[in-house]
Amino acid sequence: GENVEQHPSTLSVQEGDSAVIKCTYSDSASNYFPWYKQELGKGPQLIIDIRSNVGEKKDQRIAVTLNKTAKHFSLHITETQPEDSAVYFCAASPNSGYALNFGKGTSLLVTP
Amino acid sequence: GAVVSQHPSRVICKSGTSVKIECRSLDFQATTMFWYRQFPKQSLMLMATSNEGSKATYEQGVEKDKFLINHASLTLSTLTVTSAHPEDSSFYICSAGVDPEETQYFGPGTRLLVL
Repeated sequence: GENVEQHPSTLSVQEGDSAVIKCTYSDSASNYFPWYKQELGKGPQLIIDIRSNVGEKKDQRIAVTLNKTAKHFSLHITETQPEDSAVYFCAASPNSGYALNFGKGTSLLVTP
Repeated sequence: GAVVSQHPSRVICKSGTSVKIECRSLDFQATTMFWYRQFPKQSLMLMATSNEGSKATYEQGVEKDKFLINHASLTLSTLTVTSAHPEDSSFYICSAGVDPEETQYFGPGTRLLVL
């Protein structure tokens, strides 16, 4: 089955700096890679996703890059703000309609 | 759009009782819904895939007789934890896909505490 690894497990940055979270996956059949933000006691919130026919996608301060050859994808958050502090999960699946295999999560702390 | 709700948000019950958790897609129809379980400071683990009008598909190690899933309509799936025990205490989260891309959106979760 699919194995998704996520690094780092914790990340602390100063407000205004950039944050990068990296994930690797094992199943070459995976074609859909979403990123979720989870605040304490809440359900995950989709922040951006990318499909295998695209190498990069950007939405304001958030961007995701995908390298299918190397089987890794990354989340980039620029100009971080304290409200970006949360746990971020990457995930992979064969298609967007299938169940997701999650990474272990990255706890991001943005300090003022 | 793409709002998924869960009810209740939090439940405390005695060991041996059954608890039903509802997952609703509020503004779209979902042929497929997924149920996940999340223990403190851990990732989400898929429990089962719920398909409208058919039996749910359970992940390995998840007891189908203990975690009963009913997907009776395109907007409602229920998870019943039967004869709950303290080790079932967890955060249960559902998700539903939005046509045509089937991007998954998650509910707010249900915190279950079994005493």
